[in-house]
Amino acid sequence: DQQVKQNSPSLSVQEGRISILNCDYTNSMFDYFLWYKKYPAEGPTFLISISSIKDKNEDGRFTVFLNKSAKHLSLHIVPSQPGDSAVYFCAASFSSGTYKYIFGTGTRLKVLA
Amino acid sequence: EPEVTQTPSHQVTQMGQEVILRCVPISNHLYFYWYRQILGQKVEFLVSFYNNEISEKSEIFDDQFSVERPDGSNFTLKIRSTKLEDSAMYFCASRLSDISYEQYFGPGTRLTVT
Repeated sequence: DQQVKQNSPSLSVQEGRISILNCDYTNSMFDYFLWYKKYPAEGPTFLISISSIKDKNEDGRFTVFLNKSAKHLSLHIVPSQPGDSAVYFCAASFSSGTYKYIFGTGTRLKVLA
Repeated sequence: EPEVTQTPSHQVTQMGQEVILRCVPISNHLYFYWYRQILGQKVEFLVSFYNNEISEKSEIFDDQFSVERPDGSNFTLKIRSTKLEDSAMYFCASRLSDISYEQYFGPGTRLTVT
């Protein structure tokens, strides 16, 4: 089951620069996408989401872009801070049924001071 | 801020034994989920629960698994006869309503089957 993929297992970025995390999906029926952040020994924490009727959603330093034709979404963090160092998961969901999440494999972001 | 809690944080059990993982979802939430993450793999959906019944379950959620909301606050996952491959991090999540997509996750229970 490879419906949601994050092809970069890790990413290192200098503090203050932009972090770009990518996610691809295969099922065109997904209509809601979310990004979660996870620190060690903690559960995933909701970060930002986007509906399939939009192509961009912004919340402070975090922006999610959705390209439906390419079945691709990305999370931009700017400026990156050392506290952003964590594993980032993208998740996809359907607006009907149980709203279960299909997660990607995660990208470990390290922000270097 | 309300949060989802899970107990225990770590459970070690022998193969063939029954385990119960406990979760207390956020109090006014209506939808409940269990996910698991085997070490090094992605977080996988196990089951969703609403209105005191299972609304969806994955292929992983076979007859060895069951869920219950025994008292209106706790939400439990029971594995009847654990196998080595059940070793994983188990996350409980809850969601407020049918117009809210965001799920709130607990810190997880690490289950180790020896």
